[in-house]
Amino acid sequence: DAGVIQSPRHEVTEMGQEVTLRCKPISGHNSLFWYRQTMMRGLELLIYFNNNVPIDDSGMPEDRFSAKMPNASFSTLKIQPSEPRDSAVYFCASTLTTGNTIYFGEGSWLTVV
Amino acid sequence: SQQGEEDPQALSIQEGENATMNCSYKTSINNLQWYRQNSGRGLVHLILIRSNEREKHSGRLRVTLDTSKKSSSLLITASRAADTASYFCATVANSGNTPLVFGKGTRLSVIA
Repeated sequence: DAGVIQSPRHEVTEMGQEVTLRCKPISGHNSLFWYRQTMMRGLELLIYFNNNVPIDDSGMPEDRFSAKMPNASFSTLKIQPSEPRDSAVYFCASTLTTGNTIYFGEGSWLTVV
Repeated sequence: SQQGEEDPQALSIQEGENATMNCSYKTSINNLQWYRQNSGRGLVHLILIRSNEREKHSGRLRVTLDTSKKSSSLLITASRAADTASYFCATVANSGNTPLVFGKGTRLSVIA
């Protein structure tokens, strides 16, 4: 199994631009999570899906952030417009059952200048 | 919040020594998990301990759980330079069907 696949691995963008992060979960996994990691705040859960349905998006910082999961094998996290404080590592993770072991992708390193 | 809090924030030891990291949390849990993150990489699951378990082993790893104190510890025995990484605890609420909530991690440096 290829594991959780995220793209892009690195992105540098200018303030105000739209950023789209992509994730392909492990095949057969029913739950998908988006986390954000910064030095100051650690690893924060932004949103998670069960069976492609968003369950809890209370961690999404602002309306500038949105996430979709159109099918079981693909999810996107979009930031529009981006701001320098959005600079962080964004991780996607998936699991067969929420509450059990989760499997992380390698992360998308976002820098907004 | 039931976020786990690791202690210490950073730990530096010599190769061959044991490393102990602690985690405290605030509310009842279904299980507690430990993850490892190498620099620039994603987190990797190490071990899961359920609320009705007190101790678990996996290779050089030993995890204990004390639900009365709401704390857990991760012991790495005979540490190696390759163990250098950040280690995170994560908890799952009592209902069991909720996502993991992570602490801020312990940065372990093992000096050869």
